[in-house]
Amino acid sequence: DGGITQSPKYLFRKEGQNVTLSCEQNLNHDAMYWYRQDPGQGLRLIYYSQIVNDFQKGDIAEGYSVSREKKESFPLTVTSAQKNPTAFYLCASTGGPETQYFGPGTRLLVL
Amino acid sequence: AQSVTQLDSQVPVFEEAPVELRCNYSSSVSVYLFWYVQYPNQGLQLLLKYLSGSTLVKGINGFEAEFNKSQTSFHLRKPSVHISDTAEYFCAVSEASSSTGGFKTIFGAGTRLFVKA
Repeated sequence: DGGITQSPKYLFRKEGQNVTLSCEQNLNHDAMYWYRQDPGQGLRLIYYSQIVNDFQKGDIAEGYSVSREKKESFPLTVTSAQKNPTAFYLCASTGGPETQYFGPGTRLLVL
Repeated sequence: AQSVTQLDSQVPVFEEAPVELRCNYSSSVSVYLFWYVQYPNQGLQLLLKYLSGSTLVKGINGFEAEFNKSQTSFHLRKPSVHISDTAEYFCAVSEASSSTGGFKTIFGAGTRLFVKA
């Protein structure tokens, strides 16, 4: 079955620590996205990538970094510079200007 | 600038009653319009989409939406809701980005539909 997987489902971060969220897709999509979801605020775009080895900042990129070394993978690192990282993180991909397919999400909590 | 406004943050409704979730958008160019549903602690799932053609779009689970260009609206409707429809619903707008050559999608803040027995 084609789809998007995210891991882990829950992630705990200690203060000053960098953590990496995994996103993998087998839909053969070129474009991939990372969103942050906070209660009552909908989805906000962190980073997106339209092709391998290229990515652009979204609306709230500060404190985050990404890489796109393979078409299937788009990991997101939450750095220690992100002072309020507690949120639900969603990865998505699309093959064109249409539907975005979403992963199940990763909930990041701060210890 | 593109924006999406979902006019109701929460909509309580009794089972088997009709429901309408409202969505308005602002954009100066042609857009694609979407409704997604999110169940607790899950990702978003597409309900329906408008790309072109007929302004009345039918989706999964008995939902439908109507694109009104003059009012820049894309309201979601269901004639009879079930307990299982309790979820958060997001309206989204996608338009071509002149700066990147790709498409950018903006999501509304979401409407929580709560169906009561």
